[in-house]
Amino acid sequence: GQQLNQSPQSMFIQEGEDVSMNCTSSSIFNTWLWYKQDPGEGPVLLIALYKAGELTSNGRLTAQFGITRKDSFLNISASIPSDVGIYFCAGETSGTYKYIFGTGTRLKVLA
Amino acid sequence: ETGVTQTPRHLVMGMTNKKSLKCEQHLGHNAMYWYKQSAKKPLELMFVYNFKEQTENNSVPSRFSPECPNSSHLFLHLHTLQPEDSALYLCASSQKGGATETQYFGPGTRLLVL
Repeated sequence: GQQLNQSPQSMFIQEGEDVSMNCTSSSIFNTWLWYKQDPGEGPVLLIALYKAGELTSNGRLTAQFGITRKDSFLNISASIPSDVGIYFCAGETSGTYKYIFGTGTRLKVLA
Repeated sequence: ETGVTQTPRHLVMGMTNKKSLKCEQHLGHNAMYWYKQSAKKPLELMFVYNFKEQTENNSVPSRFSPECPNSSHLFLHLHTLQPEDSALYLCASSQKGGATETQYFGPGTRLLVL
């Protein structure tokens, strides 16, 4: 079946540093979503991408829909302690309404 | 606050109990979903409802029984669960048929089966 490889699995960074994470797949997707999940809460949508090559920002977050449609990237600039959490990517093939989720990147920010 | 609420937030039940999880969305969406989130595993899609009709049952055991009485409410009825069913159960909703389709999640119900 379809799988999403998300990396890194976890990372410790210093406050103020930039962060990059990505998701790759052997399948082509038409939509990529990036979520953040805090402990004990559900995932909250950060950025949605609908076109290959699309680059979208949400505050300090920037995500890109890979040109091959098999990958996506999320960057966080100037990280702050509240960026701590688990970041998930999700990809969807048009018409299936089924999102495949990555295993998550656990981010820890050291003040 | 994403517009999707779930109750209860936490639930402990024995293997012989019967309980129900409730989800309500206030976004005017026409599709609702149940997901299971276990530690160190990707979110697993369980059920999909589109305009109150179940359109997906992702090989979920019959001890999980969904119900969607209208497009705003979704239930997950639980009976004779196993300890391995302990997980975070997430509800999501989306608007199908539009130019874009994005899923919005509720806060989840943390379930522990003893």
